[in-house]
Amino acid sequence: GAVVSQHPSRVICKSGTSVKIECRSLDFQATTMFWYRQFPKKSLMLMATSNEGSKATYEQGVEKDKFLINHASLTLSTLTVTSAHPEDSSFYICSAGGLAGRETQYFGPGTRLLVL
Amino acid sequence: AQKITQTQPGMFVQEKEAVTLDCTYDTSDPSYGLFWYKQPSSGEMIFLIYQGSYDQQNATEGRYSLNFQKARKSANLVISASQLGDSAMYFCAMREGRGGGSNYKLTFGKGTLLTVNP
Repeated sequence: GAVVSQHPSRVICKSGTSVKIECRSLDFQATTMFWYRQFPKKSLMLMATSNEGSKATYEQGVEKDKFLINHASLTLSTLTVTSAHPEDSSFYICSAGGLAGRETQYFGPGTRLLVL
Repeated sequence: AQKITQTQPGMFVQEKEAVTLDCTYDTSDPSYGLFWYKQPSSGEMIFLIYQGSYDQQNATEGRYSLNFQKARKSANLVISASQLGDSAMYFCAMREGRGGGSNYKLTFGKGTLLTVNP
């Protein structure tokens, strides 16, 4: 149990286009989902926290108009990188919380974004 | 100030030996949780072990144990009988907040790259 999927696992896009990344909790209802960004050989940086049916809470310094987050249901959250630029290239990881009796969030496998 | 400090960028250990990965934390919240995650080169984050601030005993999960020293604000991970598959990045993380649970955000340390030599 406690499986979180992400799609796509890898995406290459042209500068100026938008990219949508999906995060799904497959076998539990995730009351809260989190989006992280990780640069090579660096730590995870929290971008935003999303709760089902409400607006996401963004961390300081994260542009909410650039990184659009939608938490449409208890099993799906999406991150859209709008008008992507090469500096947006990174590894994006989501996690889902809310599994009863468990302290840990469960992480998706991540999405590698390369903007040309 | 950093909330989670991992002072060892890299560690080496011989197969079958034990290794300790250091983690210190900083919080004024009396209720918090400490986590260790493993990240292989594939990128997935694998949960290893959890310690709550009110837990009296050190957490253990198979070959993993957490050496929790509350007064020193340290939560070191001990891996016993290292295996080649243990080679990965290891992150210490903290959750602050009342009531516990997985709906609170995590703060991560910078990580320690563990290499297990045959």
